[in-house]
Amino acid sequence: GAVVSQHPSRVICKSGTSVKIECRSLDFQATTMFWYRQFPKQSLMLMATSNEGSKATYEQGVEKDKFLINHASLTLSTLTVTSAHPEDSSFYICSPRGDTQYFGPGTRLTVL
Amino acid sequence: EDQVTQSPEALRLQEGESSSLNCSYTVSGLRGLFWYRQDPGKGPEFLFTLYSAGEEKEKERLKATLTKKESFLHITAPKPEDSATYLCAVLSSGTNAGKSTFGDGTTLTVKP
Repeated sequence: GAVVSQHPSRVICKSGTSVKIECRSLDFQATTMFWYRQFPKQSLMLMATSNEGSKATYEQGVEKDKFLINHASLTLSTLTVTSAHPEDSSFYICSPRGDTQYFGPGTRLTVL
Repeated sequence: EDQVTQSPEALRLQEGESSSLNCSYTVSGLRGLFWYRQDPGKGPEFLFTLYSAGEEKEKERLKATLTKKESFLHITAPKPEDSATYLCAVLSSGTNAGKSTFGDGTTLTVKP
């Protein structure tokens, strides 16, 4: 399978700060990048879809000004959680798609 | 609207006890059906893609099959290390084109 990395794997931050999560597809070019979040014992919730060089499309109920997505190249996408609050604590997973859809290892965000 | 239903929600097996997981789907134009394995605290790991009814794929103790309405993930003589949540997803050419629709998963526990 494809190699996808996410950084950081875990982050703890104070309420009101911003956190950036990086996602890299190491061995293929991702024309489309999906960002998901997952709460404990629940399935994946799609947050947004982005194509390289274009603005992201957000799912209903996801605040685009709070979750900033940049998909600057075919191998790198970032998700920035701005002014994070405790309710943003979750497991965030990037998912690049080339010929099939792969997933990164995830980032555990804890907002105190 | 694309829908994916996985059953059972949870499955407990003894080591060596073969069984099957079900993924029922309704889509407008199936482009692909995907199976993933997810371990706690990690991103989903890609297992299989199936494209058309009658197709089968195998990997070690796992075998995935596809009909026009459902897919099965057969697990032969499972081992404790097969314990994980198995996710099914479909990609359609309908109104949800470009986005995979995920089921809620089946959590498999294999006891030694």
